[in-house]
Amino acid sequence: TQLLEQSPQFLSIQEGENLTVYCNSSSVFSSLQWYRQEPGEGPVLLVTVVTGGEVKKLKRLTFQFGDARKDSSLHITAAQPGDTGLYLCAGVAGGTSYGKLTFGQGTILTVHP
Amino acid sequence: DAMVIQNPRYQVTQFGKPVTLSCSQTLNHNVMYWYQQKSSQAPKLLFHYYDKDFNNEADTPDNFQSRRPNTSFCFLDIRSPGLGDAAMYLCATSPRFGYTDTQYFGPGTRLTVL
Repeated sequence: TQLLEQSPQFLSIQEGENLTVYCNSSSVFSSLQWYRQEPGEGPVLLVTVVTGGEVKKLKRLTFQFGDARKDSSLHITAAQPGDTGLYLCAGVAGGTSYGKLTFGQGTILTVHP
Repeated sequence: DAMVIQNPRYQVTQFGKPVTLSCSQTLNHNVMYWYQQKSSQAPKLLFHYYDKDFNNEADTPDNFQSRRPNTSFCFLDIRSPGLGDAAMYLCATSPRFGYTDTQYFGPGTRLTVL
């Protein structure tokens, strides 16, 4: 079983601060996806990273996939209250698990005005 | 707009009383998934269909069954709900079962077991 450890589990910050969420595993993933979920709604895909060392930017969000494809990070610059939500990383192992997502435990982010 | 629809959004049932949750999609995707998500936890895959091929996760309790009568619809049947089955149930779809395929999630059904 491939596990993804996500940290921190909870993050409470003030508007304007920067933050980083980490997603780590001892296993290699074919791809790593980041989702954001608001209360009472389903997760919405933010980004998919596939290549080791890949960096993708989505406005104030920067996603990085580790060189060995075992870890990933999400960095938010100048957080805003609208960024509040549950952030989930999810990896796809490949092989017989082709397409199956393994989720991390999630990070609950609260940005205070 | 193409989307994943789940009905009902909120379902209350009694301990041991069978319940069926519904998912429909207008995306014409081949793959449909059911996840269980407990409060502030990550979604846990229960099973998925690739077209009509059913794939059950090894740790999914026998109490949970699924049906996919056609491409658009998929149902989750809980035969005898226990208190521990109270959770958000998420349906998702993807075009294929590939490592870069995006999964599109519905809004979920919140199940309460009394």
